Amino acid sequence: DTGVSQDPRHKITKRGQNVTFRCDPISEHNRLYWYRQTLGQGPEFLTYFQNEAQLEKSRLLSDRFSAERPKGSFSTLEIQRTEQGDSAMYLCASSLVRGQNEQFFGPGTRLTVL
Amino acid sequence: QQQVKQSPQSLIVQKGGISIINCAYENTAFDYFPWYQQFPGKGPALLIAIRPDVSEKKEGRFTISFNKSAKQFSLHIMDSQPGDSATYFCAASSVMESNTGKLIFGQGTTLQVKP
Repeated sequence: DTGVSQDPRHKITKRGQNVTFRCDPISEHNRLYWYRQTLGQGPEFLTYFQNEAQLEKSRLLSDRFSAERPKGSFSTLEIQRTEQGDSAMYLCASSLVRGQNEQFFGPGTRLTVL
Repeated sequence: QQQVKQSPQSLIVQKGGISIINCAYENTAFDYFPWYQQFPGKGPALLIAIRPDVSEKKEGRFTISFNKSAKQFSLHIMDSQPGDSATYFCAASSVMESNTGKLIFGQGTTLQVKP
């Protein structure tokens, strides 16, 4: 499968714990995005990487959230001291800088904070 | 200014009918308008997209109509099938305002196609 992959698909954690999600973009895609989607809503932008550089962060991304893309390939999103309000689907998307910026999404990681 | 408003929230169509979903935006800097289809538990899948230099784009049973002056665009699904039952999202982005190309999504429309 050459699409965007995310791991894990589901994560259940207790309030206050740290969690980390991984995204593997489509090979050669230099743009990588993280979005968050809550039930019944459209995805909301969290952060953007071009290669290894994190170029934009949404104000939704509190200081408990951190994202990295160390070698310009896969990316990780870490949430520290999780809160029940963090429960959501975390989506990763990738695209090429060239062209139409068609963003292709992964299957998402469903986070449930108890 | 960043908002994209989508309607209706839900839609029920008979098999073979036409499904129409509408979106409106305020930011005139938006220059890319995709539609995504999402099934429960899955990530959004890109269906079709348009840029403001054309008024219509068709791919198979899916057509985007774009009205730049009204700042509206719509998705038409012809010959709707039960397999089209899903949630549909419109989105918009601006390369001019944000070189990141981040997408601003509408609230979604849940489509049910009855056999």
